[in-house]
Amino acid sequence: EAGVAQSPRYKIIEKRQSVAFWCNPISGHATLYWYQQILGQGPKLLIQFQNNGVVDDSQLPKDRFSAERLKGVDSTLKIQPAKLEDSAVYLCASSLRGAGQGYEQYFGPGTRLTVT
Amino acid sequence: QQQVKQSPQSLIVQKGGISIINCAYENTAFDYFPWYQQFPGKGPALLIAIRPDVSEKKEGRFTISFNKSAKQFSLHIMDSQPGDSATYFCAASINDYKLSFGAGTTVTVRA
Repeated sequence: EAGVAQSPRYKIIEKRQSVAFWCNPISGHATLYWYQQILGQGPKLLIQFQNNGVVDDSQLPKDRFSAERLKGVDSTLKIQPAKLEDSAVYLCASSLRGAGQGYEQYFGPGTRLTVT
Repeated sequence: QQQVKQSPQSLIVQKGGISIINCAYENTAFDYFPWYQQFPGKGPALLIAIRPDVSEKKEGRFTISFNKSAKQFSLHIMDSQPGDSATYFCAASINDYKLSFGAGTTVTVRA
């Protein structure tokens, strides 16, 4: 079974530039998550999708971050414009079931973003 | 506001020794407590999880101990091996929804 795929693996941009990350979840997984992991910290949930609908985006900085999950399969996370404090690893995860039904989250390898 | 506090930040153990990582939480509504293992350059992977209706769960060399009254839970790695060297995260959620992660513990097993 193929795991969660993410690209690119690394990205370096200057502040005020824009960047986009792509995630392809495990086939058949209805729920998709984007996390931000700052160095030395645990992952922080940014947004959760159930199929192509948003379940939770309470911690997504909506003035600069956006995410979509077209057709309920793969997803993109965009930052525009980037700030220095956005430097982090962006993790995508997926799970078979939805919230409240029991799940195990499978994580991708992440995209390491450096903002200079 | 960090909902799950994890300690220590790092630990070094000799091969064959026991590694112990502790976590504490405040929200008594949490009902799912997983531990994740993360190797450099990889995403976290579920290691073991527990629900508050049991006080202990063991899977191979990994054991979770859960103390509901103290609002604490811990991970014990028995017979630690060099391959166990990784960062471990505890987490908590309500109804398996919106995991809150601890800050992580870097475990180094010396051969």
